[in-house]
Amino acid sequence: EADIYQTPRYLVIGTGKKITLECSQTMGHDKMYWYQQDPGMELHLIHYSYGVNSTEKGDLSSESTVSRIRTEHFPLTLESARPSHTSQYLCASTPEGSGREETQYFGPGTRLLVL
Amino acid sequence: AQSVSQHNHHVILSEAASLELGCNYSYGGTVNLFWYVQYPGQHLQLLLKYFSGDPLVKGIKGFEAEFIKSKFSFNLRKPSVQWSDTAEYFCAVNLSGTYKYIFGTGTRLKVLA
Repeated sequence: EADIYQTPRYLVIGTGKKITLECSQTMGHDKMYWYQQDPGMELHLIHYSYGVNSTEKGDLSSESTVSRIRTEHFPLTLESARPSHTSQYLCASTPEGSGREETQYFGPGTRLLVL
Repeated sequence: AQSVSQHNHHVILSEAASLELGCNYSYGGTVNLFWYVQYPGQHLQLLLKYFSGDPLVKGIKGFEAEFIKSKFSFNLRKPSVQWSDTAEYFCAVNLSGTYKYIFGTGTRLKVLA
């Protein structure tokens, strides 16, 4: 059982607010990811990290930013939320090691609604 | 561009019926293949995966999938579904050696008791 946590699980917020979505994992995984998922759509990678102080943007353009100061923590920040940011955000991580490294473990997700 | 296609968006079956969910991908290089499942109210979890070797892989809860390289397919099967299999199923492809995971749009399976 993977231990990856996301908070909050649900968030309703007004336009223009700054928000941070938290993601933590207790498995010591080096690689972490943020995906955006809309109903009936595939997951889109918006950010990933190979380790501490290593972050990259994914394929889907996003106005969010991430940081990776500690291995276990990978928060995502929206400086000014807009209704177009309404979506579900999924955090994932992968372990290193032969036979296990490519399997992603997912958190429960954060459903964001921007009014 | 690389993509993953899941042909069935919604599937409704009666208990004990057989299941096959299609998944095709477009990428000419080496891939790792996954099926993930999301039960109602729960997070995505791994059902099974293929990295190399025997193209027929078995996962949890009686699921299996077959990798057919020539068809770029990785279809999911279960000979007899149960009500508890009601969930959304996602096929995913990792381009080997990269960060890149490409997901299909998912198939919502409803099993009628």
